[in-house]
Amino acid sequence: DAGVTQSPTHLIKTRGQQVTLRCSPKSGHDTVSWYQQALGQGPQFIFQYYEEEERQRGNFPDRFSGHQFPNYSSELNVNALLLGDSALYLCASSLLGGDEQFFGPGTRLTVL
Amino acid sequence: AQKITQTQPGMFVQEKEAVTLDCTYDTSDPSYGLFWYKQPSSGEMIFLIYQGSYDQQNATEGRYSLNFQKARKSANLVISASQLGDSAMYFCAMRDLNTNAGKSTFGDGTTLTVKP
Repeated sequence: DAGVTQSPTHLIKTRGQQVTLRCSPKSGHDTVSWYQQALGQGPQFIFQYYEEEERQRGNFPDRFSGHQFPNYSSELNVNALLLGDSALYLCASSLLGGDEQFFGPGTRLTVL
Repeated sequence: AQKITQTQPGMFVQEKEAVTLDCTYDTSDPSYGLFWYKQPSSGEMIFLIYQGSYDQQNATEGRYSLNFQKARKSANLVISASQLGDSAMYFCAMRDLNTNAGKSTFGDGTTLTVKP
């Protein structure tokens, strides 16, 4: 049973560019949440998707957007990249209302 | 708003000894869940243990136990018989269970180093 997978593993972009990160949830899970983890800090909630809609959003600008597909996989898009967007981006999947969230290995984004 | 505080940036423990990692929380939600995760240097967040706010007994999972003191709003993680492989970053997190929302609020973590 595959767990949560994310791609790519690492990514290097320059300021002003756009990036798309991808996540496949654990088998049987219908809900995907995205987190940003800056170096030395705990993860910060970006948003959550369920039934292809954004259910809840953290304190992130509109440059951060997402999408969920009918197979429950999800994308995180970040436009007009800033140096401060450099971080580990974690995807977590769960069942709606479930207690546990299972995290993927993350995508490490570096903005130069 | 929910808040998690982990006051120990770093902890050291001798192999085979027990260690307690502190976590205090603040929330106005009546129903919430408390979680502990381990994050090795590879970056993946590994779920360790869960405690629901209405659970009467402290949660245990193998060598991990959660010392839940609701009145004090604390949820400390106890690791017994530490192993070298326990060296990692540990995060305490909470989530409101009433809204079925996925937002987990994390602390800033504690780096645990197990000495041989």
